[in-house]
Amino acid sequence: KNEVEQSPQNLTAQEGEFITINCSYSVGISALHWLQQHPGGGIVSLFMLSSGKKKHGRLIATINIQEKHSSLHITASHPRDSAVYICAVRSGGGSQGNLIFGKGTKLSVKP
Amino acid sequence: DGGITQSPKYLFRKEGQNVTLSCEQNLNHDAMYWYRQDPGQGLRLIYYSQIVNDFQKGDIAEGYSVSREKKESFPLTVTSAQKNPTAFYLCASRIGLTNTGELFFGEGSRLTVL
Repeated sequence: KNEVEQSPQNLTAQEGEFITINCSYSVGISALHWLQQHPGGGIVSLFMLSSGKKKHGRLIATINIQEKHSSLHITASHPRDSAVYICAVRSGGGSQGNLIFGKGTKLSVKP
Repeated sequence: DGGITQSPKYLFRKEGQNVTLSCEQNLNHDAMYWYRQDPGQGLRLIYYSQIVNDFQKGDIAEGYSVSREKKESFPLTVTSAQKNPTAFYLCASRIGLTNTGELFFGEGSRLTVL
């Protein structure tokens, strides 16, 4: 079983829809990252959170440490949101900085 | 603008050849990382470096080598010993030596072995 599981693997939505991508993990973590990978391959960090909720524009990320679960929400989705969204967790302490990555959720938003 | 620059974006290699992927950052970040991405899999850590002249193996270091002679540069060499080198390679950096900073990624390098 993967330590970081994302669902769904693929998601197709119509422009304007509210989107939710889920991430569940099985290890103790110190932080969780949500990343966006563009079709060209470059990755942008969207959020880094260790508790509660963060919001940036139309994006909202939440985390429930007790349930080992995080969600990424996109409100009023737009075709430019089409990308692969990756959840990554930082497990444990220390200075190694290693992350455990999910396999990603491929989102396609149709106009 | 500050950021991470990877080059080349696309690279073709014949079997038996070593190739070096460049990663340069002007963010003054201490820690730098190399990841490999294969279809249907999460990113996997190849090597990382937290300080100049020091680096550590990640989960899949076999067949790869790195150097960190300058703070801003962390090149990755894919050697002929790497059995399946065709993949997408991503370089990342983080400020500070503790495990708390946000990660910044480059645009990636796609290596194809012919």
